[in-house]
Amino acid sequence: EVQLVESGGDLVQPGRSLRLSCAVSGFTFDEFAMHWVRQAPGKGLEWVSGISWNSGSINYAASVEGRFTTSRDNAKNSLYLQMNNLRPEDTALYYCGKDRGLRDYDSIDHWGQGTLVTVSP
Amino acid sequence: AIQMTQSPSSLSASVGDRVTITCRASQGIRNDLGWYQQKPGKPPKLLIYAASRLPGGVPSRFSGSASGTDFTLTISSLQPEDFATYYCLQDYNFPFTFGPGTRVDIK
Repeated sequence: EVQLVESGGDLVQPGRSLRLSCAVSGFTFDEFAMHWVRQAPGKGLEWVSGISWNSGSINYAASVEGRFTTSRDNAKNSLYLQMNNLRPEDTALYYCGKDRGLRDYDSIDHWGQGTLVTVSP
Repeated sequence: AIQMTQSPSSLSASVGDRVTITCRASQGIRNDLGWYQQKPGKPPKLLIYAASRLPGGVPSRFSGSASGTDFTLTISSLQPEDFATYYCLQDYNFPFTFGPGTRVDIK
């Protein structure tokens, strides 16, 4: 069974940093791209970042480019999101998601339950 | 970035109704589009990938189609468990972009 478990969400002040983690199991992690998607309270889904199976391709939404960094450790079956210079508008539930494409990008076919990041003075 | 528009933004329907939701891309995206269902307090669930393909376990009352830059999700006979918000996502190029969502509630 595919499982994705996010952690690291917290209440932080504007300008501070936070690192999210996503631990996965139930599939061969190093064969699939992974994504971060967020959802502000009461709002729609926003794609944040995607990383290829071998970290050779990493992409970001314009709203986080230059502030957020996505990485993965295939030996630890883990995905990370380093968030710097956080802003109130980054407040959201952050989901990690598994891409369905084998060593390629496609739709997101499995999702974690999310971890909540709140940015407030 | 590719913009995804979605219509309607909300609809009210009855059990047994046929429901159609449309997403339009601001440029060609081939068939690189997925549809997702989200219920309150839950993560999204993939319903359709590659515009028209059903993942295993998704009921056959869900279907997807494409015509140029217009994509349609159809629920042939709405069931009580289908009341939710539906999103499209283009995975043609980066940044991936979601549509704003369509809320389906009970009439």
